[in-house]
Amino acid sequence: GDSVTQTEGPVTVSESESLIINCTYSATSIAYPNLFWYVRYPGEGLQLLLKVITAGQKGSSRGFEATYNKETTSFHLQKASVQESDSAVYYCALGDRTNYNVLYFGSGTKLTVEP
Amino acid sequence: GPKVLQIPSHQIIDMGQMVTLNCDPVSNHLYFYWYKQILGQQMEFLVNFYNGKVMEKSKLFKDQFSVERPDGSYFTLKIQPTALEDSAVYFCASSLGGAGAETLYFGSGTRLTVL
Repeated sequence: GDSVTQTEGPVTVSESESLIINCTYSATSIAYPNLFWYVRYPGEGLQLLLKVITAGQKGSSRGFEATYNKETTSFHLQKASVQESDSAVYYCALGDRTNYNVLYFGSGTKLTVEP
Repeated sequence: GPKVLQIPSHQIIDMGQMVTLNCDPVSNHLYFYWYKQILGQQMEFLVNFYNGKVMEKSKLFKDQFSVERPDGSYFTLKIQPTALEDSAVYFCASSLGGAGAETLYFGSGTRLTVL
Protein backbone atom coordinates (compact mmCIF):
# COMPACT_ATOMS: atom_id res chain seq x y z
CA GLY A 1 0.00 0.00 0.00
CA ASP A 2 0.90 3.67 0.23
CA SER A 3 2.75 4.51 3.40
CA VAL A 4 5.52 6.48 5.06
CA THR A 5 8.12 5.33 7.56
CA GLN A 6 10.23 7.80 9.48
CA THR A 7 12.78 7.89 12.28
CA GLU A 8 11.31 6.71 15.52
CA GLY A 9 11.43 9.35 18.20
CA PRO A 10 12.11 10.95 20.44
CA VAL A 11 15.31 12.50 19.15
CA THR A 12 17.42 14.80 21.33
CA VAL A 13 20.27 16.90 19.99
CA SER A 14 22.26 19.82 21.32
CA GLU A 15 21.95 23.30 19.90
CA SER A 16 24.20 23.91 16.85
CA GLU A 17 24.51 20.19 16.14
CA SER A 18 23.41 18.72 12.81
CA LEU A 19 20.19 16.78 12.39
CA ILE A 20 18.82 14.16 10.06
CA ILE A 21 15.36 12.63 10.32
CA ASN A 22 14.93 9.73 7.96
CA CYS A 23 11.84 9.24 5.84
CA THR A 24 11.12 6.54 3.30
CA TYR A 25 7.92 6.04 1.40
CA SER A 26 6.02 3.41 -0.49
CA ALA A 27 3.81 4.69 -3.30
CA THR A 28 2.39 1.56 -4.87
CA SER A 29 -0.86 3.13 -6.09
CA ILE A 30 0.29 6.72 -6.53
CA ALA A 31 1.56 7.50 -10.00
CA TYR A 32 2.89 10.98 -9.16
CA PRO A 33 3.90 11.21 -5.50
CA ASN A 34 4.34 14.55 -3.78
CA LEU A 35 6.42 14.67 -0.63
CA PHE A 36 6.02 16.96 2.36
CA TRP A 37 7.46 17.71 5.75
CA TYR A 38 5.00 19.13 8.23
CA VAL A 39 5.87 20.34 11.72
CA ARG A 40 3.88 20.80 14.91
CA TYR A 41 5.28 23.24 17.41
CA PRO A 42 4.04 22.96 21.00
CA GLY A 43 0.45 24.18 21.32
CA GLU A 44 0.02 24.78 17.59
CA GLY A 45 -1.53 23.06 14.61
CA LEU A 46 0.42 21.15 12.01
CA GLN A 47 2.05 23.46 9.49
CA LEU A 48 3.89 22.89 6.25
CA LEU A 49 7.67 23.07 6.52
CA LEU A 50 8.55 22.19 2.94
CA LYS A 51 7.34 20.23 -0.05
CA VAL A 52 8.77 18.79 -3.24
CA ILE A 53 6.66 17.55 -6.11
CA THR A 54 9.35 16.59 -8.62
CA ALA A 55 11.74 13.70 -8.16
CA GLY A 56 15.36 14.82 -7.88
CA GLN A 57 14.48 18.27 -6.56
CA LYS A 58 15.33 19.69 -3.17
CA GLY A 59 13.07 21.70 -0.93
CA SER A 60 14.25 24.04 1.79
CA SER A 61 12.80 26.22 4.50
CA ARG A 62 14.04 27.73 7.79
CA GLY A 63 17.42 26.07 7.29
CA PHE A 64 15.91 22.61 6.74
CA GLU A 65 16.41 20.70 3.50
CA ALA A 66 15.00 17.53 1.98
CA THR A 67 15.68 15.92 -1.40
CA TYR A 68 13.10 13.80 -3.19
CA ASN A 69 15.01 10.64 -4.12
CA LYS A 70 12.91 8.36 -6.30
CA GLU A 71 15.60 5.66 -6.55
CA THR A 72 15.83 5.13 -2.81
CA THR A 73 12.21 6.26 -2.18
CA SER A 74 13.48 8.63 0.48
CA PHE A 75 12.89 12.18 1.61
CA HIS A 76 15.20 12.70 4.58
CA LEU A 77 15.03 15.98 6.50
CA GLN A 78 18.35 17.63 7.34
CA LYS A 79 19.60 20.72 9.09
CA ALA A 80 23.22 21.68 9.53
CA SER A 81 22.81 23.51 12.83
CA VAL A 82 19.66 23.20 14.93
CA GLN A 83 18.31 25.77 17.35
CA GLU A 84 16.25 25.41 20.49
CA SER A 85 13.26 26.84 18.60
CA ASP A 86 13.35 23.82 16.27
CA SER A 87 12.00 21.63 19.07
CA ALA A 88 8.78 20.20 17.66
CA VAL A 89 7.24 17.08 16.15
CA TYR A 90 8.12 16.53 12.50
CA TYR A 91 5.93 14.55 10.12
CA CYS A 92 6.87 13.22 6.72
CA ALA A 93 3.90 12.88 4.36
CA LEU A 94 3.18 11.41 0.96
CA GLY A 95 0.52 12.92 -1.28
CA ASP A 96 -1.16 12.06 -4.52
CA ARG A 97 -1.49 15.01 -6.86
CA THR A 98 -4.41 13.35 -8.58
CA ASN A 99 -6.34 12.60 -5.42
CA TYR A 100 -7.65 15.74 -3.74
CA ASN A 101 -4.86 16.22 -1.25
CA VAL A 102 -5.13 12.88 0.50
CA LEU A 103 -1.96 12.68 2.58
CA TYR A 104 -0.31 9.62 4.10
CA PHE A 105 1.60 10.61 7.21
CA GLY A 106 4.49 9.02 9.02
CA SER A 107 4.20 8.50 12.74
CA GLY A 108 6.04 11.72 13.59
CA THR A 109 9.44 12.32 15.16
CA LYS A 110 9.60 14.38 18.32
CA LEU A 111 12.73 16.53 18.30
CA THR A 112 14.09 18.18 21.42
CA VAL A 113 16.98 20.60 21.04
CA GLU A 114 18.90 21.16 24.25
CA PRO A 115 20.67 24.46 24.91
CA GLY B 1 -0.06 32.67 8.96
CA PRO B 2 -3.59 31.44 8.27
CA LYS B 3 -5.24 29.68 11.18
CA VAL B 4 -7.70 26.84 11.45
CA LEU B 5 -9.54 26.80 14.75
CA GLN B 6 -10.98 23.72 16.40
CA ILE B 7 -13.28 23.98 19.37
CA PRO B 8 -13.29 22.42 21.91
CA SER B 9 -9.78 21.02 22.35
CA HIS B 10 -11.09 18.09 24.36
CA GLN B 11 -14.50 16.47 24.47
CA ILE B 12 -15.66 13.58 26.61
CA ILE B 13 -18.87 11.70 25.87
CA ASP B 14 -20.53 8.41 26.66
CA MET B 15 -20.61 5.63 24.10
CA GLY B 16 -23.73 5.77 21.95
CA GLN B 17 -24.13 9.52 22.20
CA MET B 18 -23.85 11.87 19.29
CA VAL B 19 -20.93 14.28 19.03
CA THR B 20 -20.22 17.14 16.66
CA LEU B 21 -16.68 18.39 16.20
CA ASN B 22 -16.39 21.94 14.97
CA CYS B 23 -13.82 23.49 12.71
CA ASP B 24 -13.42 27.10 11.63
CA PRO B 25 -11.31 26.88 8.44
CA VAL B 26 -9.24 29.58 6.80
CA SER B 27 -11.73 32.11 5.47
CA ASN B 28 -11.12 31.92 1.71
CA HIS B 29 -10.39 28.19 1.55
CA LEU B 30 -12.59 25.90 -0.49
CA TYR B 31 -11.46 22.38 0.43
CA PHE B 32 -11.87 20.86 3.87
CA TYR B 33 -10.53 17.72 5.50
CA TRP B 34 -10.70 15.58 8.58
CA TYR B 35 -7.85 13.40 9.77
CA LYS B 36 -7.88 11.01 12.73
CA GLN B 37 -5.00 10.06 15.00
CA ILE B 38 -5.37 7.30 17.54
CA LEU B 39 -2.89 7.59 20.41
CA GLY B 40 0.49 6.22 19.37
CA GLN B 41 -0.52 5.76 15.74
CA GLN B 42 -0.19 7.71 12.54
CA MET B 43 -2.54 10.47 11.50
CA GLU B 44 -4.93 9.01 8.92
CA PHE B 45 -7.15 10.61 6.32
CA LEU B 46 -10.88 10.40 6.93
CA VAL B 47 -12.62 12.58 4.38
CA ASN B 48 -12.39 15.64 2.20
CA PHE B 49 -15.18 18.01 1.23
CA TYR B 50 -15.68 20.55 -1.49
CA ASN B 51 -18.63 22.54 -2.76
CA GLY B 52 -21.02 20.83 -0.37
CA LYS B 53 -19.96 17.31 -1.26
CA VAL B 54 -17.66 14.57 -0.02
CA MET B 55 -14.97 14.11 -2.67
CA GLU B 56 -12.97 11.28 -1.13
CA LYS B 57 -13.37 9.19 2.00
CA SER B 58 -11.33 6.42 3.54
CA LYS B 59 -12.48 3.14 5.02
CA LEU B 60 -12.19 4.81 8.43
CA PHE B 61 -15.10 7.07 7.52
CA LYS B 62 -17.83 4.81 8.83
CA ASP B 63 -21.53 5.13 8.12
CA GLN B 64 -21.92 6.75 11.54
CA PHE B 65 -19.80 9.68 10.37
CA SER B 66 -21.06 12.67 8.44
CA VAL B 67 -19.63 16.04 7.45
CA GLU B 68 -21.20 19.30 6.46
CA ARG B 69 -20.64 23.01 6.31
CA PRO B 70 -24.16 24.14 7.08
CA ASP B 71 -23.81 27.93 7.17
CA GLY B 72 -20.76 28.35 4.97
CA SER B 73 -18.53 28.94 7.97
CA TYR B 74 -17.97 26.02 10.37
CA PHE B 75 -17.05 22.65 8.93
CA THR B 76 -18.37 19.87 11.15
CA LEU B 77 -17.76 16.18 11.73
CA LYS B 78 -20.67 14.40 13.34
CA ILE B 79 -20.47 10.92 14.79
CA GLN B 80 -23.75 9.26 15.62
CA PRO B 81 -23.70 6.98 17.52
CA THR B 82 -20.19 7.03 18.94
CA ALA B 83 -18.21 3.89 19.72
CA LEU B 84 -15.21 3.28 21.97
CA GLU B 85 -12.90 3.01 18.96
CA ASP B 86 -13.79 6.56 17.96
CA SER B 87 -11.59 7.83 20.79
CA ALA B 88 -8.82 9.74 19.02
CA VAL B 89 -7.61 13.21 18.14
CA TYR B 90 -9.43 14.62 15.15
CA PHE B 91 -7.66 17.19 13.03
CA CYS B 92 -9.43 19.53 10.68
CA ALA B 93 -7.61 21.07 7.73
CA SER B 94 -8.41 23.37 4.85
CA SER B 95 -6.78 24.36 1.58
CA LEU B 96 -7.38 26.90 -1.12
CA GLY B 97 -7.19 24.43 -3.99
CA GLY B 98 -7.75 20.74 -4.47
CA ALA B 99 -4.72 19.71 -6.49
CA GLY B 100 -2.40 17.20 -4.86
CA ALA B 101 0.41 19.60 -4.02
CA GLU B 102 -1.68 22.13 -2.15
CA THR B 103 -0.63 23.25 1.29
CA LEU B 104 -3.03 22.10 3.95
CA TYR B 105 -3.56 24.24 7.05
CA PHE B 106 -4.37 22.22 10.13
CA GLY B 107 -6.06 22.98 13.40
CA SER B 108 -4.64 21.92 16.76
CA GLY B 109 -7.08 19.03 16.99
CA THR B 110 -9.97 17.96 19.18
CA ARG B 111 -9.27 15.07 21.51
CA LEU B 112 -12.40 12.93 21.67
CA THR B 113 -12.74 10.50 24.55
CA VAL B 114 -15.59 8.02 24.34
CA LEU B 115 -16.35 6.33 27.66
